[in-house]
Amino acid sequence: QQQVKQSPQSLIVQKGGISIINCAYENTAFDYFPWYQQFPGKGPALLIAIRPDVSEKKEGRFTISFNKSAKQFSLHIMDSQPGDSATYFCAASREGAQKLVFGQGTRLTINP
Amino acid sequence: DGGITQSPKYLFRKEGQNVTLSCEQNLNHDAMYWYRQDPGQGLRLIYYSQIVNDFQKGDIAEGYSVSREKKESFPLTVTSAQKNPTAFYLCASSPILPSPLHFGNGTRLTVT
Repeated sequence: QQQVKQSPQSLIVQKGGISIINCAYENTAFDYFPWYQQFPGKGPALLIAIRPDVSEKKEGRFTISFNKSAKQFSLHIMDSQPGDSATYFCAASREGAQKLVFGQGTRLTINP
Repeated sequence: DGGITQSPKYLFRKEGQNVTLSCEQNLNHDAMYWYRQDPGQGLRLIYYSQIVNDFQKGDIAEGYSVSREKKESFPLTVTSAQKNPTAFYLCASSPILPSPLHFGNGTRLTVT
């Protein structure tokens, strides 16, 4: 119930392509879904987040799509660039719970 | 600049020794967290604290201990009871969720 399952574990995309990372959850009480980006040797940093009252949120080349009925959410990176090569984590939390549950992470490589 | 400072960046210890990892924040955040990162396993919560002098166990607290004597500081002790202590340890802080977690740049602990 507390898990967030993330796929794929690793992903290779050509420069200019679309990168798609998927996450699924079971706990319907989750109401906050952030994505974090982590470069080697650094801590993760918030990339974009969504609440379940919207189905999509876009910030520049990054878009979160949210499907409440399927209990799934995904990150799309448009026009992927080599600088986007990093590990991406989805996460979820529920109101009143002062902690995030993280997915297993996706290592994204953008080939030039 | 506001942020989270973790020290040291690399730490080496012999098996059987306790070791303390430092985490300091100047963001005036109430909540602080310790996560452990292993390849392919995402971020797993060790301990978290919402206020001074109070903390809760996360999902993998066995073999670890923490203290929260000051709002700014949340040190983690890896005890000799932790069976697989070699890992990348991340400290984070946040205002009350749902809010972004701010991560430090981690401490890589190697125990031999």
